[in-house]
Amino acid sequence: DQQVKQNSPSLSVQEGRISILNCDYTNSMFDYFLWYKKYPAEGPTFLISISSIKDKNEDGRFTVFLNKSAKHLSLHIVPSQPGDSAVYFCAASARSGGAQKLVFGQGTRLTINP
Amino acid sequence: DTGVSQDPRHKITKRGQNVTFRCDPISEHNRLYWYRQTLGQGPEFLTYFQNEAQLEKSRLLSDRFSAERPKGSFSTLEIQRTEQGDSAMYLCASRRGGGSTEAFFGQGTRLTVV
Repeated sequence: DQQVKQNSPSLSVQEGRISILNCDYTNSMFDYFLWYKKYPAEGPTFLISISSIKDKNEDGRFTVFLNKSAKHLSLHIVPSQPGDSAVYFCAASARSGGAQKLVFGQGTRLTINP
Repeated sequence: DTGVSQDPRHKITKRGQNVTFRCDPISEHNRLYWYRQTLGQGPEFLTYFQNEAQLEKSRLLSDRFSAERPKGSFSTLEIQRTEQGDSAMYLCASRRGGGSTEAFFGQGTRLTVV
């Protein structure tokens, strides 16, 4: 059972426009959410995170929005740049005890077109 | 470079052989994780160490897999009697304890079983 889902395998956006990547989760125990970026043949790189007590977190060009009632989060990148082309993974964690392991979605491949 | 380091980057082995991978976490991080990523999927949790103690193992980790973290520093992941289905990217991640949840990943070891 896929607890974290990214329903769009790919997204193409023009340079300078906004990229919006979406993620849905099913487990109500998740209280911390992260976005990672991955280039081919490299490990995931941490981008931005958000705690369930917030509904928005911003870091430069990256903003993550959390809608707890809908169990949905999104990553906005504005303006999009060619270097943003990569696979983006949404991940979720339950911080209350245990391993606090990350549960990942399947990823969305973002392509920024010049 | 003080990031997470994994060795080797690539490993090709014949079916039935044993392989061992190494992970050196960020030095002040006492939490260490192993994940596995197959094509088109997000990373999946395998096992978790807090210092030298292995505290959680996924059911994905069959009897052929064993992981250690002697002295709470580097970690090794061994796969015995490799099968073609073991072909994947094996990722190591580390993080600080306490409230921090961001995990930092190494570049991974790409295993190909022929």
